[in-house]
Amino acid sequence: AQKITQTQPGMFVQEKEAVTLDCTYDTSDPSYGLFWYKQPSSGEMIFLIYQGSYDQQNATEGRYSLNFQKARKSANLVISASQLGDSAMYFCAMRELLSGGSYIPTFGRGTSLIVHP
Amino acid sequence: ETGVTQTPRHLVMGMTNKKSLKCEQHLGHNAMYWYKQSAKKPLELMFVYSLEERVENNSVPSRFSPECPNSSHLFLHLHTLQPEDSALYLCASSQEVAGGHYGYTFGSGTRLTVV
Repeated sequence: AQKITQTQPGMFVQEKEAVTLDCTYDTSDPSYGLFWYKQPSSGEMIFLIYQGSYDQQNATEGRYSLNFQKARKSANLVISASQLGDSAMYFCAMRELLSGGSYIPTFGRGTSLIVHP
Repeated sequence: ETGVTQTPRHLVMGMTNKKSLKCEQHLGHNAMYWYKQSAKKPLELMFVYSLEERVENNSVPSRFSPECPNSSHLFLHLHTLQPEDSALYLCASSQEVAGGHYGYTFGSGTRLTVV
């Protein structure tokens, strides 16, 4: 079963507008972490933001904020004031505890964001 | 040099060749990972090493063989690959600590083409 679901294969936004990228997750582990990564065409995965399952406040990092709704198991990424350089693939990921005691990250299929001038 | 470095950036190999991908991290992290990224598919976790011990092998074919000689280096040895193995191979590292986490740092990847 898919553990990270990103339902938007592609999104378009006007420069300087805000955009929300959706992510829902599924886990039975009470201790987990959620991440968002950006992957430009160069291929490198760039860490954007992290939310721990016990964090009381929504995570924010500059123009990025994570709208964490634990009961709904959603962790949407909000990018404010979009810039042309934000055009990229965006991946939602979850860190889960394996039975052996190690953590592994699992990624969604990604959302392609295109920012129009 | 800082961060996670992967070499080579691009690799073309025949199905009968043997080659290795290299990953090096200078962050003092204690866990390293290999991921495969194919077109239109999610990132597939291949191997996880924690404190130089393999803790996850995600049903990867034996033609892929990982090696982690120390906490800073990770290799992926390739032999008798198939064309469907063509993909972007990403290495990542992280520092696993009790009660916290600080993200996964990825390398720029090796774009592998099997001909």
